Amino acid sequence: DQQVKQNSPSLSVQEGRISILNCDYTNSMFDYFLWYKKYPAEGPTFLISISSIKDKNEDGRFTVFLNKSAKHLSLHIVPSQPGDSAVYFCAASGNQFYFGTGTSLTVIP
Amino acid sequence: EAGVTQFPSHSVIEKGQTVTLRCDPISGHDNLYWYRRVMGKEIKFLLHFVKESKQDESGMPNNRFLAERTGGTYSTLKVQPAELEDSGVYFCASSQVQGGYNEQFFGPGTRLTVL
Repeated sequence: DQQVKQNSPSLSVQEGRISILNCDYTNSMFDYFLWYKKYPAEGPTFLISISSIKDKNEDGRFTVFLNKSAKHLSLHIVPSQPGDSAVYFCAASGNQFYFGTGTSLTVIP
Repeated sequence: EAGVTQFPSHSVIEKGQTVTLRCDPISGHDNLYWYRRVMGKEIKFLLHFVKESKQDESGMPNNRFLAERTGGTYSTLKVQPAELEDSGVYFCASSQVQGGYNEQFFGPGTRLTVL
């Protein structure tokens, strides 16, 4: 049973525009959420995180929003750049890490 | 500083054979994790070592999988005998701090194909 879900397998965005990647989870006991970015033939790399006690965390062009009542988080990238093209995994931390299936982002120059 | 390394990068074996994957964590990281991603699906937790001890192995699929971390340094994950459904990418990660607030550093993965 998947506890973290990314329902969009892919997303294409024009360079300079905003990319919004979504993630839903089922377990209200998760206390920490992370986004990882993965390039082909590489392992995931940590991008940004948010504690369950917050609703927003910003780091440069990346902002993560958490809506606990909806059990939903999103990653906003603005402005999007071609180098942002990668697979993005949402992850949640409880007794262990649970990952989503990933969303492949393509930023079109 | 060297990152997490994994060997081999690819492995193609036949059903019934044995394969051993190796992970070298970042030096000084006591926590070592194994994950697996089957084609197009989520990255799934397999197990977690703290030094040489298995902290949590609840994600191990079955007893054909054996993970070790002798001496608390590198770790091996052996699959014996391999089945078709074991195909996927096996990631290793390490971290300094245990618990929900750590940042895990991932290796590049080992792509295992079982024919």
